[in-house]
Amino acid sequence: EVQLLESGGDLVQPGGSLRLSCAASGFTFIYYAISWVRQAPGKGLEWVSTISGSGGDTYYADSVKGRFTISRDNSKNTLYLQINSLRAEDTAVYYCVTPRNNVFPHYMGVWGKGTSVTVSS
Amino acid sequence: EIVLTQSPATLSLSPGERATLSCRASQSVGTYLAWYQHKPGQAPSLLIYDASKRATGIPARFSGSGSGTDFSLTISSLEPEDFAVYYCQQRGNWLTFGGGTKVESK
Repeated sequence: EVQLLESGGDLVQPGGSLRLSCAASGFTFIYYAISWVRQAPGKGLEWVSTISGSGGDTYYADSVKGRFTISRDNSKNTLYLQINSLRAEDTAVYYCVTPRNNVFPHYMGVWGKGTSVTVSS
Repeated sequence: EIVLTQSPATLSLSPGERATLSCRASQSVGTYLAWYQHKPGQAPSLLIYDASKRATGIPARFSGSGSGTDFSLTISSLEPEDFAVYYCQQRGNWLTFGGGTKVESK
């Protein structure tokens, strides 16, 4: 069974940094791209970033380009999202998501339960 | 960026009624459109992909249709567990989600 467990969410001041992690199990991690999707309070879903299975290709939404960095450690079956220069509008639950089809852009398959990031002074 | 506009924002219906949700794209996405169900406190789940294909385990009361810029999700007879927020998502040109439609119990 595919399982995704996000961690690292916290209350952070504007301008601060945070690293989110997603521990994956139940599938051959290196074979699959994997994404981050977020949901701000009271808002809809927003795709944030995707990384290919090898880690060689990365994709970002315009709203986070230059501030967010997606990476993965295939030896640890773990996905990361480094978030810098945090803004109030980055406040959201961040989900780690596997692809339904392993070609970017893709539909979303299995979702983790999410980790909450709050940006506030 | 392709913008997906979902309507209505809220749909108030009773169990057993038919629900029809709309998703309109700002430019053609072919049939590269999916629908997700999202319940409070749970992760979203895929219902429909490629506009009309049901994901594994999804009941037949859920159906999708459309192509190009106009799509719909129909729930033929609402069950109590179907009250949730529904999102469309396109992969025809990068990745975007619609704003969601909340299906609530009348």
